Amino acid sequence: GAVVSQHPSRVICKSGTSVKIECRSLDFQATTMFWYRQFPKQSLMLMATSNEGSKATYEQGVEKDKFLINHASLTLSTLTVTSAHPEDSSFYICSASPSGESYNEQFFGPGTRLTVL
Amino acid sequence: AQTVTQSQPEMSVQEAETVTLSCTYDTSENNYYLFWYKQPPSRQMILVIRQEAYKQQNATENRFSVNFQKAAKSFSLKISDSQLGDTAMYFCAFMSPLIQGAQKLVFGQGTRLTINP
Repeated sequence: GAVVSQHPSRVICKSGTSVKIECRSLDFQATTMFWYRQFPKQSLMLMATSNEGSKATYEQGVEKDKFLINHASLTLSTLTVTSAHPEDSSFYICSASPSGESYNEQFFGPGTRLTVL
Repeated sequence: AQTVTQSQPEMSVQEAETVTLSCTYDTSENNYYLFWYKQPPSRQMILVIRQEAYKQQNATENRFSVNFQKAAKSFSLKISDSQLGDTAMYFCAFMSPLIQGAQKLVFGQGTRLTINP
């Protein structure tokens, strides 16, 4: 099956610092990747759609200057949380859709737990 | 905009029993995809089953089956012979069809299912 990895699995940082999270599709190419945020005991909320070679599309209410997304290759997308604050603490999940499929099933990474002190 | 509603925040059944999780959605589209995802304590999102709206036949995957009622916009998940490993959060999700652009997943609030020994 299609495998998506995320790194790191968990990170703790100080308020005001920036944190980068990587999302990789290991055995397929993904033109499109998605970034979600999940608060405790809540559902997944889509933050942005990342397209290889172009700018990401952000959902309403998501600050694009705070959550920088780069999708430089067909197997890697990165999410950088800039000037992180405690309210940014959350579980971040990425997913990837294989290129060329008739419908875009999303394969999910294992998630990254971010704690901002 | 599409919305997905799961009206059961928590459910609990005994091992080997059958349990049904409910999901309703709202859309003006005629073609779309519906999914049930499982999120165990590891928080890895796992696809349980999917249904194409243009197919009248209900999807089945071993112990998992759906009752898809398109006119009622209802998409319930039935788990037969429940097992301890079925304990997880279950999310119902909606996806727009490929031809309309970004294939975003819209998730319901989730149902926490506990299988008791």
